[in-house]
Amino acid sequence: GAGVSQTPSNKVTEKGKYVELRCDPISGHTALYWYRQSLGQGPEFLIYFQGTGAADDSGLPNDRFFAVRPEGSVSTLKIQRTERGDSAVYLCASSRGQQETQYFGPGTRLLVL
Amino acid sequence: KNQVEQSPQSLIILEGKNCTLQCNYTVSPFSNLRWYKQDTGRGPVSLTIMTFSENTKSNGRYTATLDADTKQSSLHITASQLSDSASYICVVSGSDSWGKLQFGAGTQVVVTP
Repeated sequence: GAGVSQTPSNKVTEKGKYVELRCDPISGHTALYWYRQSLGQGPEFLIYFQGTGAADDSGLPNDRFFAVRPEGSVSTLKIQRTERGDSAVYLCASSRGQQETQYFGPGTRLLVL
Repeated sequence: KNQVEQSPQSLIILEGKNCTLQCNYTVSPFSNLRWYKQDTGRGPVSLTIMTFSENTKSNGRYTATLDADTKQSSLHITASQLSDSASYICVVSGSDSWGKLQFGAGTQVVVTP
């Protein structure tokens, strides 16, 4: 594809609900990354995948957050029992390899009411 | 404590003028440093990347410098244009976790006519 795409672009949910955020990386990119960005801040690392496996998930804030990449392409970030503090822009990026430039998607804006 | 600090937090400059943004980091061991430009509502876009052995890198009107000894970098914007209005984020990668980028909070640049 032309670039990294993320869906939905915006998501409004109620406290306690479950949400899934999807990321379609650039075709052929083996590494995929998830970040969370709060207003006025730089992105904060959550997790990154090399192929199908999570190479580093140390940024996931707690066990309500989980991400998968079952076929080494599309990834889904899953948030259970959402809290108002989860409201942020969730950015996905992909790269050809681990040290290559990361290309970012437009983000999913999550608002938890 | 954030391992990447940027200054100033924001700045306003007149179209056609130059400006310099600063980045100090403590990430160690160091692998590389990138500058990203993030337009409002969009994902970050890479401007430059420098490894330990590089001390300057240019991309059009953007010139980045790196002093790995003092752990400082700067981004110089020459002859600013209205389209340069954006957040500029300094991003450092440690060699012990390739995919886990450390982001600064960004410098918000506003270019006025």
